[in-house]
Amino acid sequence: NAGVTQTPKFQVLKTGQSMTLQCAQDMNHNSMYWYRQDPGMGLRLIYYSASEGTTDKGEVPNGYNVSRLNKREFSLRLESAAPSQTSVYFCASSEAPGGVTDTQYFGPGTRLTVL
Amino acid sequence: AQSVTQPDIHITVSEGASLELRCNYSYGATPYLFWYVQSPGQGLQLLLKYFSGDTLVQGIKGFEAEFKRSQSSFNLRKPSVHWSDAAEYFCAVGAPNQAGTALIFGKGTTLSVSS
Repeated sequence: NAGVTQTPKFQVLKTGQSMTLQCAQDMNHNSMYWYRQDPGMGLRLIYYSASEGTTDKGEVPNGYNVSRLNKREFSLRLESAAPSQTSVYFCASSEAPGGVTDTQYFGPGTRLTVL
Repeated sequence: AQSVTQPDIHITVSEGASLELRCNYSYGATPYLFWYVQSPGQGLQLLLKYFSGDTLVQGIKGFEAEFKRSQSSFNLRKPSVHWSDAAEYFCAVGAPNQAGTALIFGKGTTLSVSS
């Protein structure tokens, strides 16, 4: 039981390049989330998916797109990376559909640097 | 809108001493409250959560937290700190039925443990 897995662990991009961060969970959870973590800012929600087939914007969605490919997988895409997107990205999942009351389980994170 | 404040950015505690990390929230109704811990280079792990009932909540690793509605606080405590407790601690609030939000995290408190 791997929980929440994220790939890649590290990535360096040049400004303007695109990339997709992958996230998968094997807990049969309904809700999945993407956060970014910046020093002194805590975690901020980028997008979330309350159930398969739905996605919604969080606090900081600009510059990102997401896809809930199936119940297990939730990807985050940067179409044209900018230095302001240098951050650590965490994927999380929780059992209930759209549940903010549930425990969220976090992946190990992807450390992204945009030059 | 709901918010979470962790007043202490960094705390240093001697090994074996007691610990209290402060958390204040802003939310109109009874919130769903969480404490997460993040060890260096790792994802977040749930320590404990409060939904309703007994206001003193026990968590993993010997941690507890007390919900005080009158003070809008949910402080985390541990009677005797171990060196392995050195990490970053995040308080979070979940607001049910708030579309477009998941957990709102505080900015975190970094705990250092001195020998």
